[in-house]
Amino acid sequence: EVQLVESGGGLVKPGDSLRISCAASGFTFSKYSMNWVRQAPGKGLEWVSSIHTSSSFMYYSDSVRGRFTISRDNAKNSLYLQMNSLRAEDTAVYYCARDGGFNGDPYYFDYWGQGTLVTVSS
Amino acid sequence: DIVMTQSPDSLAVSLGERATINCRSSQSVFYSSNNKNYLAWYHQKPGQPPKLLIYWASTRESGVPDRFSGSGSGTDFTLTISSLQAEDVAVYYCQQYYSSPPVFGGGTKVEIK
Repeated sequence: EVQLVESGGGLVKPGDSLRISCAASGFTFSKYSMNWVRQAPGKGLEWVSSIHTSSSFMYYSDSVRGRFTISRDNAKNSLYLQMNSLRAEDTAVYYCARDGGFNGDPYYFDYWGQGTLVTVSS
Repeated sequence: DIVMTQSPDSLAVSLGERATINCRSSQSVFYSSNNKNYLAWYHQKPGQPPKLLIYWASTRESGVPDRFSGSGSGTDFTLTISSLQAEDVAVYYCQQYYSSPPVFGGGTKVEIK
């Protein structure tokens, strides 16, 4: 059974940094591109970032480019998102999502974790 | 970026009746070289993460009941729930993956009348 379990969320102040993680199991992690998708409280879904299987390519939304860094450790079946210079508008549930495509641009997302809440507030 | 517009914002349907959700993209998401529409549908039940229902505009994900169907091409798409069940209460999202960044529609809330 595919499982994605996010962790590391919490309450931080504007300008702070935070790293969130996603532990994957139930599939060959190294064969899939992975994504982060976020959802602000009471709002819709926003794709944040994507990373290819071998970390050769990373993609970012305009809203986080230059502040967030996606990475992965295939030996540990883990996905990460390093978030720097956090802003109030980054407050959201962050979901880890497996990509249904083939190592190109992000496609559809066939499995999702339960999410981890990041709150940015002074 | 491609803009995805869903309608209606919400709808209330009686149990066993048909529910229809529309999604329009600001440019075509049809790729002629492989004859595919790069459009997916999800639903999100309260307190849960989104769940993939449909991809390539009309391909049902494994395990998704056949009362869910997707149709359309180019810029106009429809998700149909042929006979609404109580467990279908959720917010439904379309998403294009024709070009990066992938973009979701604003969502349609489906309730029981």
